[in-house]
Amino acid sequence: SQTIHQWPATLVQPVGSPLSLECTVEGTSNPNLYWYRQAAGRGLQLLFYSVGIGQISSEVPQNLSASRPQDRQFILSSKKLLLSDSGFYLCAWSIGLVSYEQYFGPGTRLTVT
Amino acid sequence: GENVEQHPSTLSVQEGDSAVIKCTYSDSASNYFPWYKQELGKRPQLIIDIRSNVGEKKDQRIAVTLNKTAKHFSLHITETQPEDSAVYFCAHPGGSNYKLTFGKGTLLTVNP
Repeated sequence: SQTIHQWPATLVQPVGSPLSLECTVEGTSNPNLYWYRQAAGRGLQLLFYSVGIGQISSEVPQNLSASRPQDRQFILSSKKLLLSDSGFYLCAWSIGLVSYEQYFGPGTRLTVT
Repeated sequence: GENVEQHPSTLSVQEGDSAVIKCTYSDSASNYFPWYKQELGKRPQLIIDIRSNVGEKKDQRIAVTLNKTAKHFSLHITETQPEDSAVYFCAHPGGSNYKLTFGKGTLLTVNP
């Protein structure tokens, strides 16, 4: 069966510091991968998605970037964090061109101080 | 792009009552209509979905109904229990092959 991992689970970072969040999927090949951010008490904002290695689509202009160095690895990065970057970051995966079902990882709770 | 509107934003019911959450969508290109449940501090989990070749799907106490003419779909929870308390999200792909557009969520509180 498929499993999705995210780390770290929680992170407290000062403003202006860099960020690297990692997501990996097991048990499947060539998944579609997604990064979402959820502010406290708010909805799910799609940040990036990827349909293959090196293929990244950005949904919202911001100081974040994403990379997919391997088939089942998705990384979210920032060079300099802002206070507004605080939130719950969720990675998700789906399979195929029109599968649509998305399954979420456990998330990383980021607090920027 | 796709527009998904979800109502109500909050819903409070007594244990044992039914709860209904409704979503409207704009793009008819896709046939997939999922619902997710997110408990406090946890990840969203897919609880039920429907494809537009059927008008209703049930799984124990939860059901989803679809009205393609009116472009809306609803989540129905019967005999609610305190553990049903969570935020529920609807979603729809619209014309996208890969993305889901989520509604803003409904906070359901089931009072014992």
